[in-house]
Amino acid sequence: DTEVTQTPKHLVMGMTNKKSLKCEQHMGHRAMYWYKQKAKKPPELMFVYSYEKLSINESVPSRFSPECPNSSLLNLHLHALQPEDSALYLCASSRQVPGGGETQYFGPGTRLLVL
Amino acid sequence: AQSVTQLDSQVPVFEEAPVELRCNYSSSVSVYLFWYVQYPNQGLQLLLKYLSGSTLVKGINGFEAEFNKSQTSFHLRKPSVHISDTAEYFCAVSGIQGAQKLVFGQGTRLTINP
Repeated sequence: DTEVTQTPKHLVMGMTNKKSLKCEQHMGHRAMYWYKQKAKKPPELMFVYSYEKLSINESVPSRFSPECPNSSLLNLHLHALQPEDSALYLCASSRQVPGGGETQYFGPGTRLLVL
Repeated sequence: AQSVTQLDSQVPVFEEAPVELRCNYSSSVSVYLFWYVQYPNQGLQLLLKYLSGSTLVKGINGFEAEFNKSQTSFHLRKPSVHISDTAEYFCAVSGIQGAQKLVFGQGTRLTINP
């Protein structure tokens, strides 16, 4: 089972709104990731949580605020976004296997439109 | 730092023909290599991965890839494609220590024509 779920599937928000994206996995994975994907581009890493602690922040603007309440759940809080933040936001999770490396499994994404 | 180059942005192929999608990488350290597929309006699905061992790796949907260290390549192949293989394909690399970011190539749009 390699299922990562994301809600909502679609989100439209104004520049003054506050909203949150949610990601969940029940595979016992210890690392969770947020990626941003603009149209016709590859995903770009935003944040990595490892054992519920933020381990990588790719210099993401503070209007994006990640949160990892427990090992199965990852949130991305959005506030005062700009239209150029419209994109597909992908969540991934991974588990290190002895001798087998670490493989990331992606959710279906949340398509965000900022008006 | 790592980088990935996918040499073809678009590859049109007739149904039941073979296909090869090319990927070259650059890294000063050991890496793991992946191919992901993205169907329209969906997330990324793992096709296959190279972590160690045999340089020929087999994945889902009849795809395979060969790791060539001397040429720093990881090309994806399928002997006979189907209409349902129409999608965007991404080659990616990561470091081998712990939870690392995936560095993606720009993607190759595979279009299967009947």
